[in-house]
Amino acid sequence: GQQVMQIPQYQHVQEGEDFTTYCNSSTTLSNIQWYKQRPGGHPVFLIQLVKSGEVKKQKRLTFQFGEAKKNSSLHITATQTTDVGTYFCVYNQGGKLIFGQGTELSVKP
Amino acid sequence: DSGVTQTPKHLITATGQRVTLRCSPRSGDLSVYWYQQSLDQGLQFLIQYYNGEERAKGNILERFSAQQFPDLHSELNLSSLELGDSALYFCASRRGGTSNTGELFFGEGSRLTVL
Repeated sequence: GQQVMQIPQYQHVQEGEDFTTYCNSSTTLSNIQWYKQRPGGHPVFLIQLVKSGEVKKQKRLTFQFGEAKKNSSLHITATQTTDVGTYFCVYNQGGKLIFGQGTELSVKP
Repeated sequence: DSGVTQTPKHLITATGQRVTLRCSPRSGDLSVYWYQQSLDQGLQFLIQYYNGEERAKGNILERFSAQQFPDLHSELNLSSLELGDSALYFCASRRGGTSNTGELFFGEGSRLTVL
């Protein structure tokens, strides 16, 4: 069956350093979404990627969808303390919207 | 404010009891999703309803059931509660349900503690 791995599970960075989280699937994905959950909060939608090789940017955040639509990444340039939280990729599996395991980002000022 | 309302925000109950969690989706959203988030399990998909009908089912326990009413609000019923059911239960809504796209809007969650 389809398996999606999100890595790393945790990432601790110094403020100003870059951060990247990856989602890798064993099968082709129809699309992928990314969400952020702040500590004590609920998941909030960041972006949706649909096309092969798609790249989208939101200020310091860059989202990519692989050419084969089997992997995706979220890259944050020059992290800030406001970036703290858990980042999830979300994919469709037989009609179910499944969350990846999440990458918890902590930023040291 | 996402527009999705969940009640109650907090609930403390005993093992063996039954509780009902309620979710009101954003105005106009036809799909409701339920997720369970526990410390060691991440966000687990439970079930999805679209316009009153069950559309997708995850690893939802037989002790759990849900429904979506004609006014589109949804309820998640948890019965014969066990300690391991303690978790944060999120409801999310989405405009459609038959397509693969569209963002989920999450409520603040209902935190269930089973003692």
